[in-house]
Amino acid sequence: SQQGEEDPQALSIQEGENATMNCSYKTSINNLQWYRQNSGRGLVHLILIRSNEREKHSGRLRVTLDTSKKSSSLLITASRAADTASYFCATVPLSGNTGKLIFGQGTTLQVKP
Amino acid sequence: DAMVIQNPRYQVTQFGKPVTLSCSQTLNHNVMYWYQQKSSQAPKLLFHYYDKDFNNEADTPDNFQSRRPNTSFCFLDIRSPGLGDAAMYLCATSRGARLAGGTDTQYFGPGTRLTVL
Repeated sequence: SQQGEEDPQALSIQEGENATMNCSYKTSINNLQWYRQNSGRGLVHLILIRSNEREKHSGRLRVTLDTSKKSSSLLITASRAADTASYFCATVPLSGNTGKLIFGQGTTLQVKP
Repeated sequence: DAMVIQNPRYQVTQFGKPVTLSCSQTLNHNVMYWYQQKSSQAPKLLFHYYDKDFNNEADTPDNFQSRRPNTSFCFLDIRSPGLGDAAMYLCATSRGARLAGGTDTQYFGPGTRLTVL
């Protein structure tokens, strides 16, 4: 069953602005990952945050994780038109150790030049 | 460059006519996954192979089968495609959670868009 829910479903901003996407999940996790998908393409892994981490940075990306609220956020700073894509959070459940990803519904981001 | 390759990128089939989608990888990863993604939805895992060990998701229809003849290749067979099977099919690979200590990340191919007429 699907575990992650994301909001907003769609986000439209101007180039240079920051974009924030949120993800909530239901069960205990080993880690949470964010992926990007350009239109009609496969997914690309962006960043992984472990359950014992609270914040992680990678270039213009900042991810936070609050396990008490079972939520995560992805912040893209100084957005560019090339950031236009769908962004998915995906959780790895704590049980099972299969590494299986449970994807959220995704946020579609449009960055206007 | 190491990568995940899917062929074809676009596949058109007729209602009820069997179709096979292929995936190959040069990453030498242990795990290969097949996802179905419908428009504006999240990818839905159909099944995965951990080495030769096949793992089917409980809600994957019997119409969907998979084969992994060797480490590099994995196939998705749709025995009798229906209109509802039109979707993007994504193949992904990973090293495997047992090796990665649970922090496994997946590498996706570009997908095959299936149209059913």
